Amino acid sequence: EIVLTQSPATLSLSPGERATLSCRASQSVSSYLAWYQQKPGQAPRLLIYDASNRATGIPARFSGSGSGTDFTLTISSLEPEDFAVYYCQQRSNWPPKYTFGQGTKLEIK
Amino acid sequence: EVQLVESGGGLVQPGGSLRLSCAASGFTFSSYSMNWVRQAPGKGLEWVSYISSSSSTIYYADSVKGRFTISRDNAKNSLYLQMNSLRAEDTAVYYCASGVAGTYYFDYWGQGTLVTVSS
Repeated sequence: EIVLTQSPATLSLSPGERATLSCRASQSVSSYLAWYQQKPGQAPRLLIYDASNRATGIPARFSGSGSGTDFTLTISSLEPEDFAVYYCQQRSNWPPKYTFGQGTKLEIK
Repeated sequence: EVQLVESGGGLVQPGGSLRLSCAASGFTFSSYSMNWVRQAPGKGLEWVSYISSSSSTIYYADSVKGRFTISRDNAKNSLYLQMNSLRAEDTAVYYCASGVAGTYYFDYWGQGTLVTVSS
């Protein structure tokens, strides 16, 4: 079973700063990794798929990188609406299972 | 506009049953795989179940296997989750989420429905 570990658990930054969030897989997932944003009281929203492809309507300040076991979500210049919880996610082929990381809370400093 | 609207949540006693529904619109439902994902209060996301576009392939998380049943009706653009033998640890907001066939990620999500298992 593949385990996704996100770090840090909480990241405190100010608007305008650059955010770097990490997701590490316990074994290689190739580039099959997605990132989601969740704000309080809302459903998650797909940001990035296949490690580096932005989903429809996602601003260019969001970017993803990595392959294998180490992945990064970068927000180049934080906007007030970016403060939220971010999850990474992958699927293992056998046993067929979808896994989320435990989340990184991005909070205003 | 893509819309996924869950319903059927509520308060149920341990050991009881509940059936969740998810009504889809704004996309070709029959071409998409569908999933249920849950989130316990104050916790992270947990995938629950997957069903392929034609219902030919179904997967469950170990935590619900044998108790929950996923199904869909493409003629009604609807997804379902029959939940039996409910436990306190099943308390969560349940989201339905769509996925393009052959992909692993969830591109659209509903707003969720809260299931509370308590006596």
